[in-house]
Amino acid sequence: ETGVTQTPRHLVMGMTNKKSLKCEQHLGHNAMYWYKQSAKKPLELMFVYNFKEQTENNSVPSRFSPECPNSSHLFLHLHTLQPEDSALYLCASSQDQGAWEAGELFFGEGSRLTVL
Amino acid sequence: AQSVTQPDIHITVSEGASLELRCNYSYGATPYLFWYVQSPGQGLQLLLKYFSGDTLVQGIKGFEAEFKRSQSSFNLRKPSVHWSDAAEYFCAVGARGTYKYIFGTGTRLKVLA
Repeated sequence: ETGVTQTPRHLVMGMTNKKSLKCEQHLGHNAMYWYKQSAKKPLELMFVYNFKEQTENNSVPSRFSPECPNSSHLFLHLHTLQPEDSALYLCASSQDQGAWEAGELFFGEGSRLTVL
Repeated sequence: AQSVTQPDIHITVSEGASLELRCNYSYGATPYLFWYVQSPGQGLQLLLKYFSGDTLVQGIKGFEAEFKRSQSSFNLRKPSVHWSDAAEYFCAVGARGTYKYIFGTGTRLKVLA
């Protein structure tokens, strides 16, 4: 079982649909992240959760709604998206030991989203 | 504000040749520095990281990187490239005390047989 699992791997949706992306980490980490990866642009941090509490919201439009029910699961709820939201959405986790000694990110394989 | 610049969008090298991928960062203090690799259709995998101490760090797959504070650089190197190294490479900066990791735009590596 891989460390960070994302489902679905591919998603096609219309602009009026509502869908969700799911992420699960099996590493015992406390922090989970959503990143957006678009062609020719740097990875964009969207949200960060630490022990289920949201610590970062990087000015993300409200059509993206995160949910973190526990430290192992993270969702990204999608509604009324735009075609420019088509991208690879990457989930990651990290372990915060207070002193930030092991802060590297562990990524899932991503969910490729296409908005028609 | 912190930022990361990877000046080379594409690099092509022959198999067996040496490789250096450039990364420059802007950060007010000593940052955490990372190199990640992404193969097509995959997520990002950590190659190596610098937190403190020895400025030359060794990573997986034979990669190494050197932190040069005076040049604000963290260049990735490999003495002999293998065809399987063809991928996209990302440099990242972590701000201490936050969860904000800033990534560069990536360098796509092509390896010629």
